[in-house]
Amino acid sequence: AQRVTQPEKLLSVFKGAPVELKCNYSYSGSPELFWYVQYSRQRLQLLLRHISRESIKGFTADLNKGETSFHLKKPFAQEEDSAMYYCALTNYGGSQGNLIFGKGTKLSVKP
Amino acid sequence: KAGVTQTPRYLIKTRGQQVTLSCSPISGHRSVSWYQQTPGQGLQFLFEYFSETQRNKGNFPGRFSGRQFSNSRSEMNVSTLELGDSALYLCASSAGLAGGRANEQFFGPGTRLTVL
Repeated sequence: AQRVTQPEKLLSVFKGAPVELKCNYSYSGSPELFWYVQYSRQRLQLLLRHISRESIKGFTADLNKGETSFHLKKPFAQEEDSAMYYCALTNYGGSQGNLIFGKGTKLSVKP
Repeated sequence: KAGVTQTPRYLIKTRGQQVTLSCSPISGHRSVSWYQQTPGQGLQFLFEYFSETQRNKGNFPGRFSGRQFSNSRSEMNVSTLELGDSALYLCASSAGLAGGRANEQFFGPGTRLTVL
C-alpha cells in the first residue's frame, strides 16, 4: 500500500530549540517526497522537495531510502514556524498532481 | 498572477442532494487536482485533470466526478450526498508537465461543504 505516516499529531518546542518532524513512507515505485506547510489562515503551500536538496526558511529534509523516511529538521525553531506541516509523495518524474499526504503534524513554537 | 480561486467558499446541502464546486487555476496552468480534507482521513486525492482529460484518479466512489474546460477551469460534482461527504475540498493547479519544478502545486482556499 502507498502510504505516508506522520506519527506526531502535535509537536511543541520552545523558541531556539531544534525541531524534527517525522515522516515515513511506503511506496512501491520510485517516490518523490515533499513537505507542505499551512500557516494560520493561509493556503497550503510547498515548503521543500527532496530532489532540490535546498534549505528553505532554515528547514532541511533528507530522503533516507533505506529507512523510507523524509524527516524535516530545523536547528533553531522560531515562533513564526508554528504551522501545520504535511509530508507528501508522488511518483518520481510524474506530474505531482496526485499527491499522497500524511495526516499532518501541528508544530507549536513557544516563546 | 492571481492565485487559485474556488467557489463557493461555503456550502450547506442535505443528504441526497448533489453539489458542484468550481476551481479556477492560475493563468497558464493546465493541470487541476482535487483533494478532500477531513479530520479523520486527512487530505485525500480525488482526481487530476490535464487538458480536459482525467489523468489520475483516487480511490473514491463514482458519486464523485469532475471535468475540465478548455480554459482549464475545473468543476467537481458529488451526487447523492452523504453525511460523510462533509469536508473541505481543495483544488490545486500546476503547469502539469511531467517532472520538474514547473509542477509545483498551488492550492486554493478550499470549499467547505456541510451535509445535513
